[in-house]
Amino acid sequence: AQSVAQPEDQVNVAEGNPLTVKCTYSVSGNPYLFWYVQYPNRGLQFLLKYITGDNLVKGSYGFEAEFNKSQTSFHLKKPSALVSDSALYFCAVRARNSGNTPLVFGKGTRLSVIA
Amino acid sequence: GAVVSQHPSWVICKSGTSVKIECRSLDFQATTMFWYRQFPKQSLMLMATSNEGSKATYEQGVEKDKFLINHASLTLSTLTVTSAHPEDSSFYICSARKRTGPNTEAFFGQGTRLTVV
Repeated sequence: AQSVAQPEDQVNVAEGNPLTVKCTYSVSGNPYLFWYVQYPNRGLQFLLKYITGDNLVKGSYGFEAEFNKSQTSFHLKKPSALVSDSALYFCAVRARNSGNTPLVFGKGTRLSVIA
Repeated sequence: GAVVSQHPSWVICKSGTSVKIECRSLDFQATTMFWYRQFPKQSLMLMATSNEGSKATYEQGVEKDKFLINHASLTLSTLTVTSAHPEDSSFYICSARKRTGPNTEAFFGQGTRLTVV
C-alpha cells in the first residue's frame, strides 16, 4: 500500500526566510512524487514532480524539492518565502508500474508566511 | 499546459434535490478522471475512479447510487449527487490524467463547493 505522511499541520515562517514543508512516503518499489498547492476554495495546482534523475527538482514559483531515497522523503523548500506563498500544500505519491491508479495524498500542510 | 475545467464553482441546493457537477479536460484527452471530496482543513478523499466508456470504480464506503459518475467521452466526466442532504455539503474536486504517460501528474479542476440547505 502507498501512503504519504506530512508530519506538520501548520508551518509558520517569516517573509524572506527559507521554508521547508516535510513529506515522507511509503511505496513498493520506486516512486513518482508530486507537490501541489491549494489556495482557498480552489483546486490543486501542480508545483513539481520527481520522476527520475537528479534528486533535486525545481518547480514553479521558486519552489524545489529533494528526493532522498534512503530517508524516503521529498521535502518541499524555498530559499525565500513570500506572503503570497501562504496556502495549503499537498505531497502525493504513485508507485511506478502501478497502472492507472490515482495519486495518494498526504493530509496537507498549511503554510503561513508572515510579513 | 493541461487545463481541467469544473462547473459549477459553487452551488446551493435544497435537501432532496440532485446536483450535477461537470469536469472537462479542455486541451487533452483523459481516459481516466478521479473524483475527490475534501472536508474543511482535511486532505482529499478519493471517491471514485472514472474510466471513459466503462463503469466507475468506487472507493469503499462511497455509495455508488448516491454519487453517480458518468464518463461518456474522453473529455467529460460528470458527478451527480442524488437526493442531496446537508451532510453531502463539501468541496468536490475532479482530476484528469492525460491519455499517454504513466508518470504524468494529475491536473485538477478548480473544485465545486456544494452547500445543501
